[in-house]
Amino acid sequence: GNSVTQMEGPVTLSEEAFLTINCTYTATGYPSLFWYVQYPGEGLQLLLKATKADDKGSNKGFEATYRKETTSFHLEKGSVQVSDSAVYFCALNIETSGSRLTFGEGTQLTVNP
Amino acid sequence: DSGVTQTPKHLITATGQRVTLRCSPRSGDLSVYWYQQSLDQGLQFLIQYYNGEERAKGNILERFSAQQFPDLHSELNLSSLELGDSALYFCASSVGQVSGNTIYFGEGSWLTVV
Repeated sequence: GNSVTQMEGPVTLSEEAFLTINCTYTATGYPSLFWYVQYPGEGLQLLLKATKADDKGSNKGFEATYRKETTSFHLEKGSVQVSDSAVYFCALNIETSGSRLTFGEGTQLTVNP
Repeated sequence: DSGVTQTPKHLITATGQRVTLRCSPRSGDLSVYWYQQSLDQGLQFLIQYYNGEERAKGNILERFSAQQFPDLHSELNLSSLELGDSALYFCASSVGQVSGNTIYFGEGSWLTVV
């Protein structure tokens, strides 16, 4: 079946530190990959996505590259801010499963000033 | 604002009761999805509808049911509620069923069963 594995959290960083959240996937076929973010008390927001191998998604300083050879979609940001504190979810969807999203466990990020 | 509207935002009810959660998808979106988010289970896919028809079923209990109406809004019905059903229930929508379509989430309905 399809699954997503994220690095275990929580992750605590100081402001302006470099962020990496690892994400690997297992899928039968060619999935599209997503990162969603959930700020405290809010719903899920799409952060970025990539629909084919070697695509790079980017938004708000965050980047992730679809690596088919390593089945990975790691999230990176060069300099985090306190306002980036949230839970980050890696997800995939694939047409053979009706396009629904399969999520990883989520990674809690806390950025301290 | 994602454009997906969910009501109610918060709901407290007793065990054994039945509740209905309502969702209005983004204008033009034909697919509606329901997810449950709990501390121990994470984000679990429940069910998907496309243009009124059920398309995919996930970990949805038999006590739960859903439907999508001709105007494309959807309702999730939860019955014989148990304490373990306390969770955040998300509705989401997308234009179609193609992998890669962005799926937009509502702010969720917080259900507390006491």
